[in-house]
Amino acid sequence: AQTVTQSQPEMSVQEAETVTLSCTYDTSENNYYLFWYKQPPSRQMILVIRQEAYKQQNATENRFSVNFQKAAKSFSLKISDSQLGDTAMYFCAFNQGGKLIFGQGTELSVKP
Amino acid sequence: SAVISQKPSRDICQRGTSLTIQCQVDSQVTMMFWYRQQPGQSLTLIATANQGSEATYESGFVIDKFPISRPNLTFSTLTVSNMSPEDSSIYLCSVEDRGLSGNTIYFGEGSWLTVV
Repeated sequence: AQTVTQSQPEMSVQEAETVTLSCTYDTSENNYYLFWYKQPPSRQMILVIRQEAYKQQNATENRFSVNFQKAAKSFSLKISDSQLGDTAMYFCAFNQGGKLIFGQGTELSVKP
Repeated sequence: SAVISQKPSRDICQRGTSLTIQCQVDSQVTMMFWYRQQPGQSLTLIATANQGSEATYESGFVIDKFPISRPNLTFSTLTVSNMSPEDSSIYLCSVEDRGLSGNTIYFGEGSWLTVV
C-alpha cells in the first residue's frame, strides 16, 4: 500500500526567506502524480504544485518548486521569498487512480 | 481547471440527526471523491462516487453511515447519518481533472460540521 510521510509537523520561516518542506512516499508503481496542497485557516484545499513521476524535470510554479527524487521516493517543496500569506498547513499527496493519499501535514508559519 | 461548489459551508447539527452535503462541478467528471478531515488531522478518503453505480467505500466507512448519491456526471451528495460529536469534521469533495496537461485533483471549499 502507498504511504506518504511528512516528518516536519511545524516549521517557521522569516518573511522573504526560503523554506523547504519534506515529503517521502512509498509505492511500487512507476507512473503516478504527486501534489502539494496548501490549507489556510479557511480550510479550503488549494493546489500548489503537481509533479508527474515520468518527468525528470522538477515542477515550478512562481515561488514554489519541488525537488523530486524518484529513486529516493522524495518530493520536497521549496518556497522562495516567503510571504505572510504563505502561512498555512501544507499537505503532500500521492495520486492513486484519482484517490489521494495524504501525509500528516506541515504547519508553516511565516514571521514578519 | 474544474470549479467545485459545496453546500453547506458550515453547519451546527444536533446529535442523532442527519445532514446532506452537496457537491456541484462545472464540468462532467467520471469520478468524484469524498474526504473527511477530523480536527487537527489529515484528510482521509471516505468513498468514491461513481455515476450509475454504488459508491465504493474505504475501510472503516460504511454506506449506512455515509450514504452517497451520484445522479449525474456533475453532482454528488454525501449524507452523514445519525450524527455524534465524533462526526464533527470538515467534509470535502474532490474531482480528478484529466486534462491535456495531465491529471490534477481539485477540491470544493469544504463543509465544516459541528455536532452538539
